[in-house]
Amino acid sequence: GEDVEQSLFLSVREGDSSVINCTYTDSSSTYLYWYKQEPGAGLQLLTYIFSNMDMKQDQRLTVLLNKKDKHLSLRIADTQTGDSAIYFCAERADNFNKFYFGSGTKLNVKP
Amino acid sequence: DVKVTQSSRYLVKRTGEKVFLECVQDMDHENMFWYRQDPGLGLRLIYFSYDVKMKEKGDIPEGYSVSREKKERFSLILESASTNQTSMYLCASSAPSGSPHEQYFGPGTRLTVT
Repeated sequence: GEDVEQSLFLSVREGDSSVINCTYTDSSSTYLYWYKQEPGAGLQLLTYIFSNMDMKQDQRLTVLLNKKDKHLSLRIADTQTGDSAIYFCAERADNFNKFYFGSGTKLNVKP
Repeated sequence: DVKVTQSSRYLVKRTGEKVFLECVQDMDHENMFWYRQDPGLGLRLIYFSYDVKMKEKGDIPEGYSVSREKKERFSLILESASTNQTSMYLCASSAPSGSPHEQYFGPGTRLTVT
């Protein structure tokens, strides 16, 4: 399968910005996604970006895509304790709609 | 709202038992997926199905089988459960067309094999 890599942990203080990074290998991916998983729950789609875009902003969330370096990032402004969760980066392969997920980054927000 | 439900949130089974995990979606999605989630390994695809009675192996199919007799239901079967199959199992569904093709996930089943 494709390789999608993320760091495992990130710790920030409440009110700071969080930046979660992801690298992927499939240059033909059409969509890249960020999912959020709260404790004991399944994954929920947070945001996504189409591969012909460089940036997408949605309220406190900013997604940056560098296709040349195959690097995706998620910036959360004014991070709150409710943002504590595991964040997964994912890319969608062209064939049969298979998705490849990173290992997840556990975000810990300290009050 | 898309809803994906899984038959159990928590399950405890003994080594050697046959285990059935059920998943149902209500959005008429063609594609359905089974993943297992382990700490530090993220989500690994076990099997997926793109139509009734159709199935494809994912990255880690060994020890598992699946059944899709109806479009809304996708079952994961552990033929003879082993302790290394203790994990969180996540079911997902998606539509093959339309933007942005995201996957919708169920709440997960935490399976413990003793």
